[in-house]
Amino acid sequence: AQSVTQLGSHVSVSEGALVLLRCNYSSSVPPYLFWYVQYPNQGLQLLLKYTSAATLVKGINGFEAEFKKSETSFHLTKPSAHMSDAAEYFCAVSDPHTGANSKLTFGKGITLSVRP
Amino acid sequence: NAGVTQTPKFQVLKTGQSMTLQCAQDMNHNSMYWYRQDPGMGLRLIYYSASEGTTDKGEVPNGYNVSRLNKREFSLRLESAAPSQTSVYFCASSPFSWQPQHFGDGTRLSIL
Repeated sequence: AQSVTQLGSHVSVSEGALVLLRCNYSSSVPPYLFWYVQYPNQGLQLLLKYTSAATLVKGINGFEAEFKKSETSFHLTKPSAHMSDAAEYFCAVSDPHTGANSKLTFGKGITLSVRP
Repeated sequence: NAGVTQTPKFQVLKTGQSMTLQCAQDMNHNSMYWYRQDPGMGLRLIYYSASEGTTDKGEVPNGYNVSRLNKREFSLRLESAAPSQTSVYFCASSPFSWQPQHFGDGTRLSIL
């Protein structure tokens, strides 16, 4: 069975500082990995996805994530935080090899606050 | 470009009342999902439909039923609402079940 661990529930950074949100996964096969963002009172939006091509994936709003098989990690980074990045972020994993019964498994989410 | 549309956006119910939440997608996706989101609990899958004509239980199905009416529509029914079902409900769809999901804006449901 696949799973995702997002350690901690809240990260606070200063505007202009590096953003690092951690995600570790467990999967018995090469997975697909995703990061989603949720702004207040909205649904989730896809930030970026890893689907077994390049290990460094670039997404929207200047975010990127690197798939590291040896560390079973898919951490999300952004070089310089902006106030508009304040939101909740979810990591998710899926197994593309088991067909119709495979679906995304989401982490618990982590809230990012950005201080002026 | 509507994507995933949920109705209603807000609803207040009394304990014991019934309610159907509607979800429709216009992206010709095969798979559809219902989640609930509660503070500190993340997203929890209630039911999903991998393809038209199939439905399966997720992590928290008790107290809910679903209907995949056609390829576009997937409804969630609360037969006898309980205060523990107060939550924000999200519908999502994806081309196939292992692919990224597209989410609606949610239904905020309060049960008194």
